[in-house]
Amino acid sequence: DTGVSQDPRHKITKRGQNVTFRCDPISEHNRLYWYRQTLGQGPEFLTYFQNEAQLEKSRLLSDRFSAERPKGSFSTLEIQRTEQGDSAMYLCASSFYRGLNEKLFFGSGTQLSVL
Amino acid sequence: ELKVEQNPLFLSMQEGKNYTIYCNYSTTSDRLYWYRQDPGKSLESLFVLLSNGAVKQEGRLMASLDTKARLSTLHITAAVHDLSATYFCAVDMSTGTASKLTFGTGTRLQVTL
Repeated sequence: DTGVSQDPRHKITKRGQNVTFRCDPISEHNRLYWYRQTLGQGPEFLTYFQNEAQLEKSRLLSDRFSAERPKGSFSTLEIQRTEQGDSAMYLCASSFYRGLNEKLFFGSGTQLSVL
Repeated sequence: ELKVEQNPLFLSMQEGKNYTIYCNYSTTSDRLYWYRQDPGKSLESLFVLLSNGAVKQEGRLMASLDTKARLSTLHITAAVHDLSATYFCAVDMSTGTASKLTFGTGTRLQVTL
């Protein structure tokens, strides 16, 4: 499969626990994005990487959130001390940046439920 | 702050009918995207509109962009059941670096027999 892969598909956790999600982008894509989608809403930008460098973070990304992309391949998104408000679908997308006509390919997401 | 509004939020239409989904946004942008999302699935890119007056068509779907009016439309011609999904427009507010998309709330389309 050559699409964007996210793991796990679903995660249920108790408030206060830490969780980590993984995203494997399409091979050779140099950009990787994280978005968050709550029920009935469109996705919201969280952060993005160009290769291994994290170049921008949304103000939605509190200090409990950290993302990494070691070696410019897969990425992880960690949420520490989860809160019920963190319950959402976390979407990863990747692209091969060539200029204006950048096309993002999204994964199926990780659905997080915080009890 | 950029706001992207879609209407309608929910659309139930009969097979064979035509309809238009509207996407209004509040700040100047020259790049607008349309995505489709099926329940529990990924977002699928449909169209990228890069300039004023851009029109793109794929099958029964046609998208257009009017940057002066800050309006994009997604027109559905002779709807079929397979088009049932949620459609999002997204405006790119980046300045040539990241595709930092601001999405609308989506239009849930249900095509009935």
